[in-house]
Amino acid sequence: GQNIDQPTEMTATEGAIVQINCTYQTSGFNGLFWYQQHAGEAPTFLSYNVLDGLEEKGRFSSFLSRSKGYSYLLLKELQMKDSASYLCAVYQAGTALIFGKGTTLSVSS
Amino acid sequence: KAGVTQTPRYLIKTRGQQVTLSCSPISGHRSVSWYQQTPGQGLQFLFEYFSETQRNKGNFPGRFSGRQFSNSRSEMNVSTLELGDSALYLCASSSTGPPNEKLFFGSGTQLSVL
Repeated sequence: GQNIDQPTEMTATEGAIVQINCTYQTSGFNGLFWYQQHAGEAPTFLSYNVLDGLEEKGRFSSFLSRSKGYSYLLLKELQMKDSASYLCAVYQAGTALIFGKGTTLSVSS
Repeated sequence: KAGVTQTPRYLIKTRGQQVTLSCSPISGHRSVSWYQQTPGQGLQFLFEYFSETQRNKGNFPGRFSGRQFSNSRSEMNVSTLELGDSALYLCASSSTGPPNEKLFFGSGTQLSVL
């Protein structure tokens, strides 16, 4: 089985940088995903990491360390619209995409 | 290209009843996964279908079942509803499914069991 841990809540101000951490334990690893979910909406794909290192995509970046079972999502130049839940998910070999409970980010002005 | 469509959007049932939820994947996608989302547990995997076959199953009781049709549309059924089944049920599709494809989610069906 696997265990995925991420903070429950985080707060930040507009224009700031925030880092959302995710640790996982899994018997087999096939990649780590980050999804964003606004209240009342469907989760939408943000990033995918399968190799160690940093993947940058505009204001969002995602980092993976497979040896440490660790990932983070870095959000720069925060905007009010970034207030959402951020979900870390891993594929366990032979099963499906399994999600953490999500981190609710609140951005204030 | 139309996204993943789930119907109905909202549903209210009473304990003991059964319910059927529907999901139409993105055209060309053959894998459909179902998740239950609750505030306390987050997104929990129910099952995944590919070409009308259940390939993976999560840790839910047998009251939760599903099927997939030849056009890739999927349904999930919950029998003998319990209060704890109140949740947002999300369907997600992908071209071929695990292990490294991103999922596209529908807006979900909000089920309330009274």
